[in-house]
Amino acid sequence: DSGVTQTPKHLITATGQRVTLRCSPRSGDLSVYWYQQSLDQGLQFLIQYYNGEERAKGNILERFSAQQFPDLHSELNLSSLELGDSALYFCASSVVGGSSETQYFGPGTRLLVL
Amino acid sequence: QQQVKQSPQSLIVQKGGISIINCAYENTAFDYFPWYQQFPGKGPALLIAIRPDVSEKKEGRFTISFNKSAKQFSLHIMDSQPGDSATYFCAARIGGLGKLIFGQGTELSVKP
Repeated sequence: DSGVTQTPKHLITATGQRVTLRCSPRSGDLSVYWYQQSLDQGLQFLIQYYNGEERAKGNILERFSAQQFPDLHSELNLSSLELGDSALYFCASSVVGGSSETQYFGPGTRLLVL
Repeated sequence: QQQVKQSPQSLIVQKGGISIINCAYENTAFDYFPWYQQFPGKGPALLIAIRPDVSEKKEGRFTISFNKSAKQFSLHIMDSQPGDSATYFCAARIGGLGKLIFGQGTELSVKP
């Protein structure tokens, strides 16, 4: 158990809908990362937050957004969902987000868009 | 230039054998190279990591070999066990940034 929690574990929704994925980092970790894992694209970095502020952006679609709240939990919002958004979404956390820090991954949320 | 290329895509090894997974990169700004292990239904978990000023790092049965001039690094699993059957990802991180760039993954199956 990495100490990172993600809810829900599974999510089934329809095209055009909006969903929110939630992540609670390990106790004491200030930095949160979101990754998308799909069969064709592999594990792709989406976005990083540090202590409530966006720190880095990767291959995140404009339909997707994220935020980190004062209690350090983070939410990833996916809107206008398309079939191709079906994937595993992982949250990871680290202490401050430095380049040699271990990132601890949560168990993921499996999103299926029908 | 920010890619990490990983091979093979899948690997079958007999119990007790050596599993070798290779990765290559182009971007010389990468300065941290972790390997992650992922079991079905779980998130990736850090296995071992290396910085480019070190040519080899060993932790138990797991060894990373790093060739800075060739921009290649590899994971060796000695005395492979059925419990090692998982997907392995190499990754790289640019200095000063947090995001990880992952290889495509290698599905390892260790046969008893």
